[in-house]
Amino acid sequence: DQQVKQNSPSLSVQEGRISILNCDYTNSMFDYFLWYKKYPAEGPTFLISISSIKDKNEDGRFTVFLNKSAKHLSLHIVPSQPGDSAVYFCAATIQGAQKLVFGQGTRLTINP
Amino acid sequence: GAGVSQSPRYKVAKRGQDVALRCDPISGHVSLFWYQQALGQGPEFLTYFQNEAQLDKSGLPSDRFFAERPEGSVSTLKIQRTQQEDSAVYLCASSSHPSDYYGYTFGSGTRLTVV
Repeated sequence: DQQVKQNSPSLSVQEGRISILNCDYTNSMFDYFLWYKKYPAEGPTFLISISSIKDKNEDGRFTVFLNKSAKHLSLHIVPSQPGDSAVYFCAATIQGAQKLVFGQGTRLTINP
Repeated sequence: GAGVSQSPRYKVAKRGQDVALRCDPISGHVSLFWYQQALGQGPEFLTYFQNEAQLDKSGLPSDRFFAERPEGSVSTLKIQRTQQEDSAVYLCASSSHPSDYYGYTFGSGTRLTVV
C-alpha cells in the first residue's frame, strides 16, 4: 500500500527552465509534507516543507504547492540549474509523529 | 562529528550470515531513526529511538531484524540469517527532536548486498 506516490521515475529539463516534480498521497491524516534531495552515495537532505494549513511555501528558487482536495503536491524549481540534478523524494507525516513516509523518488536531470 | 556517520559503507554477506550495521548520530541528537531503501524505492521506516529507548519498531520486517542504542548515542542494526530480500541501503538519521524535520540529518547509508 503505497501511501505516497511519485509517478514519474525521471524528468529531464533544460537549464534555466522550470522543473515541476509531482507527488500524490492517499492518507488524509497526513498534515505535513517535505521534499528531500539526494545525490548519489549520499543521504537525503531536507529541501523544503509545507504544512496542510498552507497551500504554498516558497524558499528561493523552490516552491511547494499543496492541493489538499486532490491530495497532490508539487515542487517547482525555477530557474533550474545543473546542480539541481539529483533524485527528489516527497515525504509525508502526521505532525508530531516520528516516521516519514516517502515516495519512490524522481530523478531530475538538468541539461545544459 | 559534523554529520551522521554510518559504517561500513558497503557490506556483502552470504545468505544466512549475520550482519551488524553501525550508526554514529550527530552529538546531542536524542532521536535516531533507521530506514531501509530498496533499489528504485524511497526509504521505508524501520525503527525509532529516543535516547536509549526504542519507542517504535513497527517497521522492522521480521524478527530477524534487531536494533539497539544502549547508551543513547551509537546505534547498531543487526540482521540475522540474511536473505536476498534484505539487500538494500540502510539509512540512519538523527535529529534533536522527533518532529524536528528541518534538522533531520541522514547518513550516507550502508549498502548491503546478500549473495
